[in-house]
Amino acid sequence: DTAVSQTPKYLVTQMGNDKSIKCEQNLGHDTMYWYKQDSKKFLKIMFSYNNKELIINETVPNRFSPKSPDKAHLNLHINSLELGDSAVYFCASKRRHPQETQYFGPGTRLLVL
Amino acid sequence: GENVEQHPSTLSVQEGDSAVIKCTYSDSASNYFPWYKQELGKRPQLIIDIRSNVGEKKDQRIAVTLNKTAKHFSLHITETQPEDSAVYFCAASESNQGGKLIFGQGTELSVKP
Repeated sequence: DTAVSQTPKYLVTQMGNDKSIKCEQNLGHDTMYWYKQDSKKFLKIMFSYNNKELIINETVPNRFSPKSPDKAHLNLHINSLELGDSAVYFCASKRRHPQETQYFGPGTRLLVL
Repeated sequence: GENVEQHPSTLSVQEGDSAVIKCTYSDSASNYFPWYKQELGKRPQLIIDIRSNVGEKKDQRIAVTLNKTAKHFSLHITETQPEDSAVYFCAASESNQGGKLIFGQGTELSVKP
C-alpha cells in the first residue's frame, strides 16, 4: 500500500555499466519527478514528467534518460555509469496543481565502483 | 533560476528548547514554500508548507513564517523533542516552473535529552 515506491532500494555496480531505476505511484498523481541527493545531502531536481510528457530537464547529462510509460510510472535509465553518479535517487509525485504536496519515494542508493 | 540559501547547516538544542531555521530565496516569482524532514536513511517527508498569500502558518509545535518583501521564510519548532532530530530542508517552487522544488542545503538538527 506504499504511495510512492522505487526499485531497487540498493544498487551497486561497476563504472561503465548501464542500470535502471523504477518508480511507481498509486496516488493518482499527474506529475512525477526525479531528484538526486549527493553525499552532502543536497537535493537537486533532475527531471519532471506531467502525464507522460517531459516538462523539466535540468541540464542532466544525456547518459540519463527518463521514461514514463504511463502517468503512474517514471523510470530512470543511466548509461555508462561514472563514479560521480553515486548518490541517492528519489522519485516524487504530486497532483497537477503547482502548489500541491510532493510525496517522495524511499530512494534508491546507487554506488558506482 | 531560483536559488535557496538555508542556515544554519547544523543546530544543536536541549530538549524543550526552540529551534529556528532560516531560508532565503532569490526568485520573487516563487509562491510555494514547503519544509521537509528527513531522518537518517529515510525519504524526505513534508512537515509544513506555506503559500505566498499567507504570512504565517502553525501546526502544533511547528510554525512557518514568510516575508515576501525580504524573500525569506523560517521554520520554528517549539518544545523540541529527541525525535525531532533529523535533517530539515526548506524549498521554493514557482507555479510556471512545473512545480519543481529548489531545495536549501539542509539543516541537521540535534535535540539532546
